[in-house]
Amino acid sequence: DADVTQTPRNRITKTGKRIMLECSQTKGHDRMYWYRQDPGLGLQLIYYSFDVKDINKGEISDGYSVSRQAQAKFSLSLESAIPNQTALYFCATSASGQETQYFGPGTRLLVL
Amino acid sequence: SQKIEQNSEALNIQEGKTATLTCNYTNYSPAYLQWYRQDPGRGPVFLLLIRENEKEKRKERLKVTFDTTLKQSLFHITASQPADSATYLCALKKGSGGGADGLTFGKGTHLIIQP
Repeated sequence: DADVTQTPRNRITKTGKRIMLECSQTKGHDRMYWYRQDPGLGLQLIYYSFDVKDINKGEISDGYSVSRQAQAKFSLSLESAIPNQTALYFCATSASGQETQYFGPGTRLLVL
Repeated sequence: SQKIEQNSEALNIQEGKTATLTCNYTNYSPAYLQWYRQDPGRGPVFLLLIRENEKEKRKERLKVTFDTTLKQSLFHITASQPADSATYLCALKKGSGGGADGLTFGKGTHLIIQP
């Protein structure tokens, strides 16, 4: 089984809808991250969390919110989706004191 | 502003040759630099990490160099194979004082190994 899973893998939604992307991990890592990837723009950090009580904004947090429900779960919400949020979204984890990040398979989101 | 630059054009290399990818950065004093591989539609996979006080790191057919004076890292794949075809991303972790955030990624270089 994959260590970092994301659901759904693909999602089509309409402008103005609220959606949630979920990430779960079995690696036992305390740090979790959400990135988005757009063609030609690379990965951009949205939010990150170093433990259950710690939430931090990344470089492009506007329009997004997150919830760290447990050490193993980190959800990303789009409160009112807009077309320019169409992108590939990745969750990643790392252990404190370790620099390597482990990425999930991604969620492809299309906002119409 | 801080920038990470990787060659945006695809790099075509003949099988068996050495592929060399470049990562340049400005306005950073990174504690370390990482290289990741990304296949289409999949998440990046960690390959190598090199710290600011290291000049070179090797792992099997992979070699990374890090020149903090030139603000550049080179990523080499020797004896390249078609299976090495992918996009390669470099990522920086900021130095002291900026520890509370994730990695900053370059846009990646698409490597194509031709049989």
